[in-house]
Amino acid sequence: DAGITQSPRHKVTETGTPVTLRCHQTENHRYMYWYRQDPGHGLRLIHYSYGVKDTDKGEVSDGYSVSRSKTEDFLLTLESATSSQTSVYFCAINGLAGVPLYEQYFGPGTRLTVT
Amino acid sequence: AQSVTQLDSQVPVFEEAPVELRCNYSSSVSVYLFWYVQYPNQGLQLLLKYLSGSTLVKGINGFEAEFNKSQTSFHLRKPSVHISDTAEYFCAVSLKAAGNKLTFGGGTRVLVKP
Repeated sequence: DAGITQSPRHKVTETGTPVTLRCHQTENHRYMYWYRQDPGHGLRLIHYSYGVKDTDKGEVSDGYSVSRSKTEDFLLTLESATSSQTSVYFCAINGLAGVPLYEQYFGPGTRLTVT
Repeated sequence: AQSVTQLDSQVPVFEEAPVELRCNYSSSVSVYLFWYVQYPNQGLQLLLKYLSGSTLVKGINGFEAEFNKSQTSFHLRKPSVHISDTAEYFCAVSLKAAGNKLTFGGGTRVLVKP
């Protein structure tokens, strides 16, 4: 068990409202990632973090922002949710000392519906 | 930029029959290759990976995959499937130089029928 949790697990929100998803890890991994999963597209990288306050954009970052103020938490914010952001969001982690960087561990996912 | 194509979006298969899931990738540099499995309403779990060396890699639950550099393919196989193998399977690559950002294929949904 890589000690990664996501909250909330399910959320329904209205178009135009702000939404924040949380990824929490307990094992001091350096890298954290946010992906979204959509049918036919697999998972696509939204943003990632390579340390506290160090973040960068992924493939589908428009409309999303992230923050990482401490090692264990990586927040994904939709400033003004749109229906196209209805998706399942997965957090992933890696970078624990002694563990190969290619070993990414995934959280259980957050199902977000924007109405 | 790299890309991954999974040629079959759905694969129905009878229990105890063999299955092959096809994956092709494109990249101008060397990559690491992965297969992940997602059971219903769960996160992703690593099945197997190719980093270097032997082109035939074995993973968990009886799965294996073969890396073919000339065809830029990394097909996944299992000689005899079980009902419990019903899941979605994702092929993914990461650049060796960039380390650890994954690019995924669109996924293949395997439905094992009794």
